[in-house]
Amino acid sequence: GQNIDQPTEMTATEGAIVQINCTYQTSGFNGLFWYQQHAGEAPTFLSYNVLDGLEEKGRFSSFLSRSKGYSYLLLKELQMKDSASYLCAVTDAGNNRKLIWGLGTSLGVNP
Amino acid sequence: DTAVSQTPKYLVTQMGNDKSIKCEQNLGHDTMYWYKQDSKKFLKIMFSYNNKELIINETVPNRFSPKSPDKAHLNLHINSLELGDSAVYFCASSQDGRGQVIQYFGAGTRLSVL
Repeated sequence: GQNIDQPTEMTATEGAIVQINCTYQTSGFNGLFWYQQHAGEAPTFLSYNVLDGLEEKGRFSSFLSRSKGYSYLLLKELQMKDSASYLCAVTDAGNNRKLIWGLGTSLGVNP
Repeated sequence: DTAVSQTPKYLVTQMGNDKSIKCEQNLGHDTMYWYKQDSKKFLKIMFSYNNKELIINETVPNRFSPKSPDKAHLNLHINSLELGDSAVYFCASSQDGRGQVIQYFGAGTRLSVL
C-alpha cells in the first residue's frame, strides 16, 4: 500500500528553528512536495524534491533521502505567521499529476 | 485576477438536495482537479481532467459527477447530498510537464449538509 507519515502537531517558539519530518512508503516515487495550509485557506506550494539532498529557499529548506523514504522541511527564524499546517505529498510514479498526501503537521508558533 | 476561483465559498443545504460547485482557472493550465478535505484535514483526490478528458477518477460515489466544458473550467455536481458529504472541496490546476508539476489551489468551498 501507499502511506505517508508526519507528526500530527508540533509547537515552537518565535525565532527558533523547527524540523518537520515525513516518511513515505509508496509503490513508486516521482518527487515529493511540501505545501503550507493556513487555517481556513488553500494549500500553497512550498518546495519540491526529486533528487537526494537539501533544497534551500529563503527561511525554508527541504531535504530528501530516497533510499530511506524520508524528507524533512526545515523552517528557520520562525515567525508567528508560520503557524499553519504543513502537508507532505508524494507524486505517484505512474502519473505525475496524482499526489498522495499526508495528513499534515499542525505547527503552532508561540511568542 | 484570482488564479483559481471557485464558487460558492460557502454552501449550506439539506440532505437529499442536489448542488453544484464551479471552478475556473485563468493560468492557462492543462489539468484541473477536485479534492475533498474532511474534518481530519485529509486531502483526498476525487477527479482530474486534462484538456477536458478525465484522467483521474478515484473511488467516489457516483452521486458525484465532474464536468469540464473547456480546459479552464471544471465543475462538480453532487446529487442526493448526504451528511458525510460535509467537507471542504478544493479545486486545483497544474501545467503539464515532466517532473515538478505544481498544483495551484482555489480558496475552497465549505459544504455543510444538514
